[in-house]
Amino acid sequence: GESVGLHLPTLSVQEGDNSIINCAYSNSASDYFIWYKQESGKGPQFIIDIRSNMDKRQGQRVTVLLNKTVKHLSLQIAATQPGDSAVYFCAEPFSGGGSYIPTFGRGTSLIVHP
Amino acid sequence: SQTIHQWPATLVQPVGSPLSLECTVEGTSNPNLYWYRQAAGRGLQLLFYSVGIGQISSEVPQNLSASRPQDRQFILSSKKLLLSDSGFYLCAWSMGVGQPQHFGDGTRLSIL
Repeated sequence: GESVGLHLPTLSVQEGDNSIINCAYSNSASDYFIWYKQESGKGPQFIIDIRSNMDKRQGQRVTVLLNKTVKHLSLQIAATQPGDSAVYFCAEPFSGGGSYIPTFGRGTSLIVHP
Repeated sequence: SQTIHQWPATLVQPVGSPLSLECTVEGTSNPNLYWYRQAAGRGLQLLFYSVGIGQISSEVPQNLSASRPQDRQFILSSKKLLLSDSGFYLCAWSMGVGQPQHFGDGTRLSIL
């Protein structure tokens, strides 16, 4: 089956640094991706999404980049703050082929040191 | 605006006891509903999803069942809990296939 996975399970950064979290996907037909943030003891929260007709999308302090050639997307967090410490998931809401099943990456734990 | 409620937030149950976790969504109609389990330090495992009242699809064979008695109510149940049922259970909703999912705050279930 298709999969969405992450390169690094843990990322530690200093407050104020920029953070980059990576995600690889295997389905070349994938056309929509979402990044979620999950704080300890809570459910995942939507951060930002991107469709395959875009290479880059920016939000408040976050940027998602999509490289369809190598099937890779990344989440960049500018000026990382302690409140950004959480697990970040990439997800593909629609696996395709008539499936209702979303696909989630394993998650990367971001640790921000003050 | 739409909101999703899950309860209880934490639950400690003995092995062999029954389970009922409830999830309700407000502010939308005919949502897709999902139950996930998340083991510590792991990703999300889809357990059940529903595209309408009384319509339940199971993704993994297990000791759990789900029901959708009302449009915006999704219940996760078990007749007899196993130790392996421990975990963090998340309910989510979406407007439809391929739409972003919105999660509740989860239930931490511990089986003793």
